[in-house]
Amino acid sequence: QQPVQSPQAVILREGEDAVINCSSSKALYSVHWYRQKHGEAPVFLMILLKGGEQKGHDKISASFNEKKQQSSLYLTASQLSYSGTYFCGTVGHGSSNTGKLIFGQGTTLQVKP
Amino acid sequence: DAEITQSPRHKITETGRQVTLACHQTWNHNNMFWYRQDLGHGLRLIHYSYGVQDTNKGEVSDGYSVSRSNTEDLPLTLESAASSQTSVYFCASSVDSYNEQFFGPGTRLTVL
Repeated sequence: QQPVQSPQAVILREGEDAVINCSSSKALYSVHWYRQKHGEAPVFLMILLKGGEQKGHDKISASFNEKKQQSSLYLTASQLSYSGTYFCGTVGHGSSNTGKLIFGQGTTLQVKP
Repeated sequence: DAEITQSPRHKITETGRQVTLACHQTWNHNNMFWYRQDLGHGLRLIHYSYGVQDTNKGEVSDGYSVSRSNTEDLPLTLESAASSQTSVYFCASSVDSYNEQFFGPGTRLTVL
């Protein structure tokens, strides 16, 4: 079952914050986050392996609420380089030893000067 | 440097023809994956492999096949191309199920 991302699209001004949510109807083992620029391949951002885990680097961080079967990606003080489409990929508990990702439909983020 | 490559980068073919897309990685990763990307659908898993001689069907495997004869390569074959298979195809690999997937640059396939 494909996880649901919200919002589908967001437009920001430089310096503003954004939150992208990823919800699953199935119990999750882990959540991956990727960013894709137009015409390019997806690039890994971070992986959250444990319920309640939070990770981050620079001004991008994420949390994973295993009980609620959801993850959120936080972009703080956005920069022009943050523009792109963000995908969450989920690994269900039944697939924990396989790494098989099911991706959400993506959230398009546009940062304007 | 280790990398993952795909070829061709662009392909135009006709309905009914057999097409093979190549994927080659030099990381010696066990896990390899094929996805297709269409507007509004995100990335959908076609086939995946956890090692030599191992292949598994993903969520949209109809009309596609893969084989894994060595660690480095996982070619994707469209047995009889259909217009519905016009898409961008990405190959990916990972060292194991707990780590990130590295994506190739993609192949844009058009079936006329």
